[in-house]
Amino acid sequence: KAGVTQTPRYLIKTRGQQVTLSCSPISGHRSVSWYQQTPGQGLQFLFEYFSETQRNKGNFPGRFSGRQFSNSRSEMNVSTLELGDSALYLCASSFLGKQFFGPGTRLTVL
Amino acid sequence: AQSVTQLGSHVSVSEGALVLLRCNYSSSVPPYLFWYVQYPNQGLQLLLKYTSAATLVKGINGFEAEFKKSETSFHLTKPSAHMSDAAEYFCAVTFDRGSQGNLIFGKGTKLSVKP
Repeated sequence: KAGVTQTPRYLIKTRGQQVTLSCSPISGHRSVSWYQQTPGQGLQFLFEYFSETQRNKGNFPGRFSGRQFSNSRSEMNVSTLELGDSALYLCASSFLGKQFFGPGTRLTVL
Repeated sequence: AQSVTQLGSHVSVSEGALVLLRCNYSSSVPPYLFWYVQYPNQGLQLLLKYTSAATLVKGINGFEAEFKKSETSFHLTKPSAHMSDAAEYFCAVTFDRGSQGNLIFGKGTKLSVKP
């Protein structure tokens, strides 16, 4: 089976712009979670989707949003980008309580 | 608040030596516990998971972890370190027995292996 794929792998944006990141889970996995990884804050949970519904949400401002499609693919959107949004964004798909992570999207905000 | 603490942001061992990475959680309810490894410029790979079936959990690459409720600990060990074990290791917990999709991660421990 192919692993979790994330596109794009690298992204450079400027402050105030918005960005959309994409995640394709492992075939058959219906749960997708998103995490932000920064040197200062470490790995922080953003949100989790299951069957197109947001099941859990972390402590992030409303500028961070996500959605899941009927084929379980997920997107996350960050609006009005700030310098502090520069991070590695990781997506994970879950099956039987185990999360499998993608390689991440490295977002740089200038 | 529920949290997980990894003691030691950097650990250095010699090749062939014992690897011990420490993880403690704070909760009155035993959570599900995980150890992940991250190699440079890669995502996280699951090493092992504790789900209350057995206190000693064996994972991939020769790693294992022991759940000790009295100490609220879940330390990761490997009897003999290899150069290829050099990476960053994350302990994670979830108290959501329903979804298990929202993990709380420790700050990570970078493991260096000296030849």
